[in-house]
Amino acid sequence: DQQVKQNSPSLSVQEGRISILNCDYTNSMFDYFLWYKKYPAEGPTFLISISSIKDKNEDGRFTVFLNKSAKHLSLHIVPSQPGDSAVYFCAANPGGGADGLTFGKGTHLIIQP
Amino acid sequence: SQTIHQWPATLVQPVGSPLSLECTVEGTSNPNLYWYRQAAGRGLQLLFYSVGIGQISSEVPQNLSASRPQDRQFILSSKKLLLSDSGFYLCAWSTGTSSYNEQFFGPGTRLTVL
Repeated sequence: DQQVKQNSPSLSVQEGRISILNCDYTNSMFDYFLWYKKYPAEGPTFLISISSIKDKNEDGRFTVFLNKSAKHLSLHIVPSQPGDSAVYFCAANPGGGADGLTFGKGTHLIIQP
Repeated sequence: SQTIHQWPATLVQPVGSPLSLECTVEGTSNPNLYWYRQAAGRGLQLLFYSVGIGQISSEVPQNLSASRPQDRQFILSSKKLLLSDSGFYLCAWSTGTSSYNEQFFGPGTRLTVL
């Protein structure tokens, strides 16, 4: 049973516009959430994170929003750039422990010129 | 700065053959270490993690095993590969001091079992 869900396998956005990537989770024990970016044949790279006590975290062009009551988070990229084309993974860490992260299946973001 | 290495980068193995993938981390001490697998069309699945030398936690029962013979070395092994073992294997490390447990990934090994 998938505890972290990214229901959009792919998303196409025009360069300069806003990209919104969505993620839903089912486990109310998740306290910390992370977004990773992955290029083909490379390991994922950490982008941004948020804890369950916050509803927003911003870092440059990237903003993550958390709606704890809806068990939903989203990653906003503004403005979108060609280098943003990659697969984005949503991940969760239950209780702040040292266990591995629980990942979604990813969303392939394609930025069109 | 910290760096993480994995080798080999690609590997093609016949069914029933053994496997050994190695991961090493530089520039940090006593990291938490992780093995993940990304199968085609799927997310990253945690296979093993380790919080110290000789300490291995398994998340998914399978024909794979892991060992941590040194502080910054993590090895993934199999005695007999199955077709279903094909995938992209990723090693990651974390400091173990952050509640977020942000993990930093290596370049990965593409394993194809024929």
